[in-house]
Amino acid sequence: EVQLVESGGRLIQPGGSLRLSCAVSGFSVITKYMNWVRQAPGRGLEWVSVLYSGGSAYYADSVKGRFTISRDNSKNTLFLQLKSLRDEDTAIYYCTKAVGNANKWFASDVWGQGTMVTVSS
Amino acid sequence: QSVLAQPASMSESPGQSITISCTGTTSDIGRYNSVSWYQQSLGKAPKLVIYEVDNRPSGISSRFSGSKSGNTASLTISGLRSEDEGDYYCSSYSDRATAVIFGGGTKLTVL
Repeated sequence: EVQLVESGGRLIQPGGSLRLSCAVSGFSVITKYMNWVRQAPGRGLEWVSVLYSGGSAYYADSVKGRFTISRDNSKNTLFLQLKSLRDEDTAIYYCTKAVGNANKWFASDVWGQGTMVTVSS
Repeated sequence: QSVLAQPASMSESPGQSITISCTGTTSDIGRYNSVSWYQQSLGKAPKLVIYEVDNRPSGISSRFSGSKSGNTASLTISGLRSEDEGDYYCSSYSDRATAVIFGGGTKLTVL
């Protein structure tokens, strides 16, 4: 069964750092394009980052230079490193699998349950 | 952040059909066939119902259909059921943002 399970979210002070994990089962993380998408409380969805199967990574302007997406092939896990956190980064962070690779990465057909990050002093 | 324009809320009776619009620009919907639609029930993760404008993932009812004309995409749900209630989000690739952008979401109520 294809499944994504996120973890690592918690309450953290502004300026702090955090690493989110997404444990992947049912497929190899290295073979698929993987995304992080977030949703602030009561708000809509916001794409955060994508990691291509080939290793290239791209970010939303709002997180560029502060967040880093990566993966551990041996653990079949996707990560999102968050640094210099701001109040506006407070959100549920979802790990997602893209429908396909190349020009089919824009849609996500598998989503995790999400992990909550709260940035507050 | 670029946002696609969706109506904030819509309502319709069970058994009827409804069409949710999603308006973008020539930098996103108008240029790429990368429109997706997601259904999100309260407290749950989003669920993909349409991708690449008019494709249904495996397991999604044929009551859901998608289309595009110019800079506007549409999601039509026919034979509405109570379980169709929730928030619906459209998305598209944008070369202006060099990113996937989402609509603000439409809250669908099945009366």
